[in-house]
Amino acid sequence: DIQLTQSPSFLSASVGDRVTITCRASQGIYIYLAWYQQKPGKAPKLLIYGASTLQSGVPSRFSGSGSGTEFTLTISSLQPEDFATYYCQQLNTYHALTFGGGTKVEIK
Amino acid sequence: EVQLVQSETEVRKSGESLKISCKASGYSFTNYWIAWVRQMPGKGLECMGIVYPGDSDTRYSPSYQGQVIISADKSIGTAYLQWSNLRASDTAIYYCARSSDITVDTGFGFWGQGTLVTVSS
Repeated sequence: DIQLTQSPSFLSASVGDRVTITCRASQGIYIYLAWYQQKPGKAPKLLIYGASTLQSGVPSRFSGSGSGTEFTLTISSLQPEDFATYYCQQLNTYHALTFGGGTKVEIK
Repeated sequence: EVQLVQSETEVRKSGESLKISCKASGYSFTNYWIAWVRQMPGKGLECMGIVYPGDSDTRYSPSYQGQVIISADKSIGTAYLQWSNLRASDTAIYYCARSSDITVDTGFGFWGQGTLVTVSS
């Protein structure tokens, strides 16, 4: 199975900060990677797919990049509503659409 | 409007069976993949498997193969996740999610509200 390793697992930041989260795949997955945001008690929300394509309705302060085995999610200017947990998911292998372990973004 | 409405909270004992549901509306049920995702208390997301209701093509993640059954009834637009022998370790929130497109390449853009399953030993 393809493993996804997210770093950091926990991040403390202030409103207005630029935040970057990394997701590394154990083998190449081209650009078949998505990012999700999850707030406590809520279902995940799709932010980005195809490594860098912004889902409709998602603010432009979110961006994604990467291909192969290394990917990043960047929030250009952190807003109060962005404090949440973020997950990457590989979409290359239908029988095992694995998620990364998650990155919790908290207020400094 | 695309909607996925999941069945309510379930409380069971170890060894019992259970089937939870995900009722879809607002789109052509047969044309999009449905995934089941587990989230244990305070933990991350795990994709258990996916089903394509159009032809019932089902793919299980290795950890869940043989442990659960994923199915879909296209006549009533509903996907299911079932267990025949629950364990305390199955205690979790279970989400269903729909692929954004006819393939899974564009991720899962629509999610149900989640079903909490509690299994006591």
